[in-house]
Amino acid sequence: DTEVTQTPKHLVMGMTNKKSLKCEQHMGHRAMYWYKQKAKKPPELMFVYSYEKLSINESVPSRFSPECPNSSLLNLHLHALQPEDSALYLCASSQDPGQSSYEQYFGPGTRLTVT
Amino acid sequence: GEDVEQSLFLSVREGDSSVINCTYTDSSSTYLYWYKQEPGAGLQLLTYIFSNMDMKQDQRLTVLLNKKDKHLSLRIADTQTGDSAIYFCAESPLTGNQFYFGTGTSLTVIP
Repeated sequence: DTEVTQTPKHLVMGMTNKKSLKCEQHMGHRAMYWYKQKAKKPPELMFVYSYEKLSINESVPSRFSPECPNSSLLNLHLHALQPEDSALYLCASSQDPGQSSYEQYFGPGTRLTVT
Repeated sequence: GEDVEQSLFLSVREGDSSVINCTYTDSSSTYLYWYKQEPGAGLQLLTYIFSNMDMKQDQRLTVLLNKKDKHLSLRIADTQTGDSAIYFCAESPLTGNQFYFGTGTSLTVIP
């Protein structure tokens, strides 16, 4: 099973709302990632968790708050977003955080629209 | 981050071969990847190559690596309409778990 699942598939939220994106994998991977992708652009790395600890934060605004409750789950909490935050949010996982040889498996993404 | 460049668009006829090119700058890269993204979907890993290899073939896909020129290509034989998508190359450096994605090539297959 090489599947990464994400919920919800689509999310529309106002600028004052609080919502969360969820990601799950059952491949035993110990690194999990959040990416933001604008239309027809490559994914931009936001956060990396290694062994359930935040290891990389690519200067992401604090209105995005990641959480890794356990090795299979990754959440992204959203609060007071701006319309320019509208994008496809992709979750990925890989086997070993310290090894670049392990490919990343991506989920289908959550299409977020901020109104 | 590293610079990973691709041409933006490629259009081929069904049945022909497609060649998608990628150039990168990090000389310490150990693995290079090709991902496919269909509209509204996530990224699907197609194949990858270790940087001490010149070529890797997997069914209709052939990856060529010219490490001296830092040039990577993906050849799709007998291209089908279902191959229409955006293709991203990605490289990962020697240490750490960062991926650097290319700008993406939009492949259109004409029936």
